[in-house]
Amino acid sequence: SAVISQKPSRDICQRGTSLTIQCQVDSQVTMMFWYRQQPGQSLTLIATANQGSEATYESGFVIDKFPISRPNLTFSTLTVSNMSPEDSSIYLCSVGVSTEAFFGQGTRLTVV
Amino acid sequence: GENVEQHPSTLSVQEGDSAVIKCTYSDSASNYFPWYKQELGKRPQLIIDIRSNVGEKKDQRIAVTLNKTAKHFSLHITETQPEDSAVYFCAASKRQGAQKLVFGQGTRLTINP
Repeated sequence: SAVISQKPSRDICQRGTSLTIQCQVDSQVTMMFWYRQQPGQSLTLIATANQGSEATYESGFVIDKFPISRPNLTFSTLTVSNMSPEDSSIYLCSVGVSTEAFFGQGTRLTVV
Repeated sequence: GENVEQHPSTLSVQEGDSAVIKCTYSDSASNYFPWYKQELGKRPQLIIDIRSNVGEKKDQRIAVTLNKTAKHFSLHITETQPEDSAVYFCAASKRQGAQKLVFGQGTRLTINP
């Protein structure tokens, strides 16, 4: 299994500002994943974070808006840049261990 | 890319009855199909999964069936209990294991006492 610590758990931010979300895993993993869950909706993959290389972004998500760092095999950050109210969502990091995906507790972001 | 459709979006059943949630996927290369339960304000948690080389898998009151030809899979919960009330998500992946999941839209299941 994997224990994932994600912070902050929630934040209220002004539009135009940026927020960096941190994700710490208790074991070394090759890939970490960042998902967005808009209110009352499903999870959508934003990007895959690989240690030592640039993140791979899914269609509709760009590096300028969601820059990702992956400095080592247990840690990653996701920044939500130049925020607007449409960015209000829950952001979750995830890792795969064996056949199971484990999720952080999520960061509930509200942009006002 | 992969697209996963999930139905119904809401489901209400009497305690003790069975609940069935269905998903279809578009990419025949998908080979791993997990189901997640998400309680209000909590993270998604795996409840059962199935690989493409298996047609059915059961774990106590929960079972999943897979029809590769038709590209659909279903979650079956028997003898439902109030604590089964949650949002359930199906997902699909082309990689071995739970990497890069594509999720269905979710089903809000309510168990009425």
